[in-house]
Amino acid sequence: KNEVEQSPQNLTAQEGEFITINCSYSVGISALHWLQQHPGGGIVSLFMLSSGKKKHGRLIATINIQEKHSSLHITASHPRDSAVYICAVENSGGSNYKLTFGKGTLLTVNP
Amino acid sequence: DAGITQSPRHKVTETGTPVTLRCHQTENHRYMYWYRQDPGHGLRLIHYSYGVKDTDKGEVSDGYSVSRSKTEDFLLTLESATSSQTSVYFCAIKGTYEQYFGPGTRLTVT
Repeated sequence: KNEVEQSPQNLTAQEGEFITINCSYSVGISALHWLQQHPGGGIVSLFMLSSGKKKHGRLIATINIQEKHSSLHITASHPRDSAVYICAVENSGGSNYKLTFGKGTLLTVNP
Repeated sequence: DAGITQSPRHKVTETGTPVTLRCHQTENHRYMYWYRQDPGHGLRLIHYSYGVKDTDKGEVSDGYSVSRSKTEDFLLTLESATSSQTSVYFCAIKGTYEQYFGPGTRLTVT
């Protein structure tokens, strides 16, 4: 079983819809990261969080440490949001900030 | 982009040849990482460095070695490339909070 599980694997939405991508993990963590990768493109960090909620523009990330679960929300989705969204965790306990990644969620937003 | 470059960006090589990929950073970050990204597996850590001459293995280190003789450069070497090492390789550095990724190197081993 992977330490980091994302759902769904693939998601297709219409422009303007509210999007939710989920991430569950099985280990103790010091932080959780959300990353974005456009097709053929590089990887960009969206959020790093260890508790609560963070918001940046139309993106919102939440984490529930007790339930070992995080969600990434996109409000008023747009075709330019089409990308792979990757969840990654930093294991707790002096791990040199190493990340363990989920396999990603491919989001397609149609106009 | 936190000043991270990777070279080469694309490479095709033959099985059994040695290959070295270079990651260069301009911002003096202590921690550097090499990942590979493969369909169905996502990103996986190959090796990482926590300072000059300080390196350690990740989860998929077999067949790879690394060196870091100065802060700004982290080299990944495939001593004898195999077809299973065909992949996209990303270097990353740890900033204040996030990790910043380089643009990637697409390596094909024929």
